Amino acid sequence: IAGITQAPTSQILAAGRRMTLRCTQDMRHNAMYWYRQDLGLGLRLIHYSNTAGTTGKGEVPDGYSVSRANTDDFPLTLASAVPSQTSVYFCASSSGTGGTEAFFGQGTRLTVV
Amino acid sequence: GQNIDQPTEMTATEGAIVQINCTYQTSGFNGLFWYQQHAGEAPTFLSYNVLDGLEEKGRFSSFLSRSKGYSYLLLKELQMKDSASYLCAAMDSNYQLIWGAGTKLIIKP
Repeated sequence: IAGITQAPTSQILAAGRRMTLRCTQDMRHNAMYWYRQDLGLGLRLIHYSNTAGTTGKGEVPDGYSVSRANTDDFPLTLASAVPSQTSVYFCASSSGTGGTEAFFGQGTRLTVV
Repeated sequence: GQNIDQPTEMTATEGAIVQINCTYQTSGFNGLFWYQQHAGEAPTFLSYNVLDGLEEKGRFSSFLSRSKGYSYLLLKELQMKDSASYLCAAMDSNYQLIWGAGTKLIIKP
């Protein structure tokens, strides 16, 4: 089934640890995004990639890094986790940068303790 | 700055009609999106408006006024499964989506 897959679905992480959230899509979409969603706030863009080999910073990039080695994969890495990074993380993809809908993964619920 | 405003919560009755409003301020504008998000799930696309006017899609319609920075989502013949959060997002001049905090819609029998 075509779509976008995130792993893990949930994780409890000790502060200071390094963690990579995985995201894979099989729709051959050029654009991919990482968002965090916190209660009472809208989705906030962490990093994005308009095409394989390029990445850009979103609204809240500090403490996070991404890579886009190929079209399908867009991992998000927390180099040294802090409690304020406790959130639900969504990966999304779209076929272009214009008025095209974004498809979301099922989310990763991350708790940093 | 860029900002999206929508009500935090609304309540409606099964079978009725509800209108969820959204106002936006963005640097440039490349369209307005509505997404639905059930609790614990991912957002799913509902509609996209870039020109003024009403777009109808079954029980759901979306309206845009670019001059007023205003959109609404209209849900007719409400069903219990429509209980969800509805997210408004405006696309700015860099083609980035600016998201509202979402409107939690509660449907009562």
